[in-house]
Amino acid sequence: EIVLTQFPATLSLSPGDRATLSCRASQSVSTYLAWYQQKPGQAPRLLIYDASRRATGIPDRFSGNGSGTDFTLTVSSLAPEDFAVYYCQQRRKSFSFGPGTKVDI
Amino acid sequence: QEQLAQSGGGVVQPGKSLRLSCAASGFIFSSYAMHWVRQTPGKEPEWVAVISYDGGIDHFADPAKGRFGISRDNSKSTVYLQMDSLRVEDTAVYYCAREGYPDAFDLWGQGTIVTVSS
Repeated sequence: EIVLTQFPATLSLSPGDRATLSCRASQSVSTYLAWYQQKPGQAPRLLIYDASRRATGIPDRFSGNGSGTDFTLTVSSLAPEDFAVYYCQQRRKSFSFGPGTKVDI
Repeated sequence: QEQLAQSGGGVVQPGKSLRLSCAASGFIFSSYAMHWVRQTPGKEPEWVAVISYDGGIDHFADPAKGRFGISRDNSKSTVYLQMDSLRVEDTAVYYCAREGYPDAFDLWGQGTIVTVSS
């Protein structure tokens, strides 16, 4: 079983700030890693797949990088609608999600 | 417009069964693997099951093995999750999701609440 750890648990920032979120896997997942955004009462929304590829329609302020066990999601300048919970997800062995990072104001 | 519309769900007693449905529209359903993912309030999503584009292959998370079944009808563009021997710990919001990119879920249903309680 591959366990994903995300940190920090909460990130308190302001609109316009740069956000850097981290995800660490208990063993290598190569680049089989995706990032999602979730707002209350909504389904998750895919942002990044394959560690660094933006999904269709995702603004270029969102970027992902990393490989193996350490990954980051960066939001270059937070828009008001970006305050949400972010999850990483791996596919190297079965599927699993990290516990999430909440980005709040 | 690509869409997944879910139905089913509700309140059921422990040990009973429930079937969830997920109807796709706006894309070629038969080209995609489909998944079920569940989530309890305040927790991360938990993957439940996957079925291949043609229904020939399926896989389940350990909590679902032996109790849940996944199937699809490509003529109806619908995927199903049959849940038997339900437990209190199966209580969650259940989502269907399309695997539109390698190993990632790019389209999600609206979610349906399943409550297992006596």
